[in-house]
Amino acid sequence: KNEVEQSPQNLTAQEGEFITINCSYSVGISALHWLQQHPGGGIVSLFMLSSGKKKHGRLIATINIQEKHSSLHITASHPRDSAVYICAVAWDSNYQLIWGAGTKLIIKP
Amino acid sequence: DTGVSQNPRHKITKRGQNVTFRCDPISEHNRLYWYRQTLGQGPEFLTYFQNEAQLEKSRLLSDRFSAERPKGSFSTLEIQRTEQGDSAMYLCASSLREVYGYTFGSGTRLTVV
Repeated sequence: KNEVEQSPQNLTAQEGEFITINCSYSVGISALHWLQQHPGGGIVSLFMLSSGKKKHGRLIATINIQEKHSSLHITASHPRDSAVYICAVAWDSNYQLIWGAGTKLIIKP
Repeated sequence: DTGVSQNPRHKITKRGQNVTFRCDPISEHNRLYWYRQTLGQGPEFLTYFQNEAQLEKSRLLSDRFSAERPKGSFSTLEIQRTEQGDSAMYLCASSLREVYGYTFGSGTRLTVV
């Protein structure tokens, strides 16, 4: 059974701080997703990774396949980054996503 | 085509009524997924389609839930005889099999009163 663990569960930081959210999974995967969900809102796909590193604006996502670990970084954090960030992994067999519990991020001005 | 579209955005219904939600995926995506998310919880997988074939439906929460994708394009999720516990956000996502990337709709928020 593949399990996805995220840390921290909750994170509060000041505007401008560098943010790191971690995700670990237990078995081999075909891809890992980072998703963002604002309160009451839908889910936005930020990144899909199968290896290496991706960057989009102030967001950076990395994955280490050997260690079964991924990180999401936010540089120069801003209050509008406040949201729940979800890590989800996809298996080869059925393409269903297995979700982490999410990290609730609050950026204070 | 700007993304996955879900309608309605919000639905308030009385207990016992039937409701139907619609999802229009990205046109070239052949896979379509339905998830349910209750307050404070992560999304819960319900079912998915590859083209018009429903490949997994064992996770549908009860026989009151059914989904269709008749022509391999849009999909509908129906809940019959709604209960208060059905109140949740219902999310649709689509993907192109070979790419694995998922695009999510904004969801339909159901409130059963």
